[in-house]
Amino acid sequence: AQTVTQSQPEMSVQEAETVTLSCTYDTSESDYYLFWYKQPPSRQMILVIRQEAYKQQNATENRFSVNFQKAAKSFSLKISDSQLGDAAMYFCAYRRGNYGGSQGNLIFGKGTKLSVKP
Amino acid sequence: DTEVTQTPKHLVMGMTNKKSLKCEQHMGHRAMYWYKQKAKKPPELMFVYSYEKLSINESVPSRFSPECPNSSLLNLHLHALQPEDSALYLCASSQLPPWEQGRTEAFFGQGTRLTVV
Repeated sequence: AQTVTQSQPEMSVQEAETVTLSCTYDTSESDYYLFWYKQPPSRQMILVIRQEAYKQQNATENRFSVNFQKAAKSFSLKISDSQLGDAAMYFCAYRRGNYGGSQGNLIFGKGTKLSVKP
Repeated sequence: DTEVTQTPKHLVMGMTNKKSLKCEQHMGHRAMYWYKQKAKKPPELMFVYSYEKLSINESVPSRFSPECPNSSLLNLHLHALQPEDSALYLCASSQLPPWEQGRTEAFFGQGTRLTVV
């Protein structure tokens, strides 16, 4: 079975600084997708960034980028120029490729709570 | 419009009550989901509807009964709940079911905070 591990329950960063959140996963599949979701106090889960396993290039979305190390099964999220609005719970998630059944659904890590200090 | 709207935002119910949670999306998505999230935990999948048919039930107790009246609406009917069912219930939708398109993004609502007393 696939598992997702986030080893940092809490992280803190100074406003305008850079922070990296860690995520590792375990799978025997070759076709899969990785996601970072953000859940602020408003409770809504928001997709931050997505990575296709078949793509070697790391995904980037404005101030958010990932370091995808497929061999190491590592998928870390880097937030540059941190802003107060980045404070939230961040969940790393895994999904198998195009297969049937519940194995196609999101498997979440336990989350990392990010605080941003002014 | 990229919104998934959930009502109510908060709900307190007794163990003998019957209540319903409502979820609505107008993005033309063909897959809709119910998740349960306990405090400081990740969301746990409960049900998946694809093309308005129940595709996945993750062994959820029968006191939770989902319903998909049309392609835009998803309900979760609650009956005879227990205090341990208190949680945040999140609804989500995606353009296609994940087994048809693995890269599909799930859009989440803000959830209903349920307290069972």
